[in-house]
Amino acid sequence: GAGVSQSPRYKVAKRGQDVALRCDPISGHVSLFWYQQALGQGPEFLTYFQNEAQLDKSGLPSDRFFAERPEGSVSTLKIQRTQQEDSAVYLCASSLGSSGRAYEQFFGPGTRLTVL
Amino acid sequence: DQQVKQNSPSLSVQEGRISILNCDYTNSMFDYFLWYKKYPAEGPTFLISISSIKDKNEDGRFTVFLNKSAKHLSLHIVPSQPGDSAVYFCAASNTGNQFYFGTGTSLTVIP
Repeated sequence: GAGVSQSPRYKVAKRGQDVALRCDPISGHVSLFWYQQALGQGPEFLTYFQNEAQLDKSGLPSDRFFAERPEGSVSTLKIQRTQQEDSAVYLCASSLGSSGRAYEQFFGPGTRLTVL
Repeated sequence: DQQVKQNSPSLSVQEGRISILNCDYTNSMFDYFLWYKKYPAEGPTFLISISSIKDKNEDGRFTVFLNKSAKHLSLHIVPSQPGDSAVYFCAASNTGNQFYFGTGTSLTVIP
């Protein structure tokens, strides 16, 4: 498949558990974005990578959220000690260029996280 | 503090007629705007964009209009088709990296 893929598609966690969400961007895409989409809301920016460098993490809601992209391709979003308010769809997007503006972002299908 | 607002959660239009989806923003520094379309259980897909140096951009049946003085943009779909039924999000950016999305408008095109 040539698109952005995310795994798992669905994740149920007990409150307090750690979770790891994976994103495989389109091959060759320089930029990678993570978004959080709560029910009935639009996607909200979490963090942005250019290759392996995390250039903007201003949207991460707390220090329980951590993202990495060590080799400039696959990215993992980790949430420690999950809380019920973390329940949302987590979307990953990638774009070809070094600026998200100049190039359209291609989104994955998302991971729906439910924290019980 | 929602910087991008879509005040109509839903819209129904007859097939063949025009669909007009609206979006308002508050940050005058935004200079790039996009529309995304989303089907259930899928990620948003890019539809059309416009830079603040323009007031109109057209791509087939889709046209985006930007009114900077009113901080308002709209997406026109004409003629509307049943396959256009989806949730439409507008998004805005001023850095190129961080995009701010509206809450979406669910469009239903009635055959």
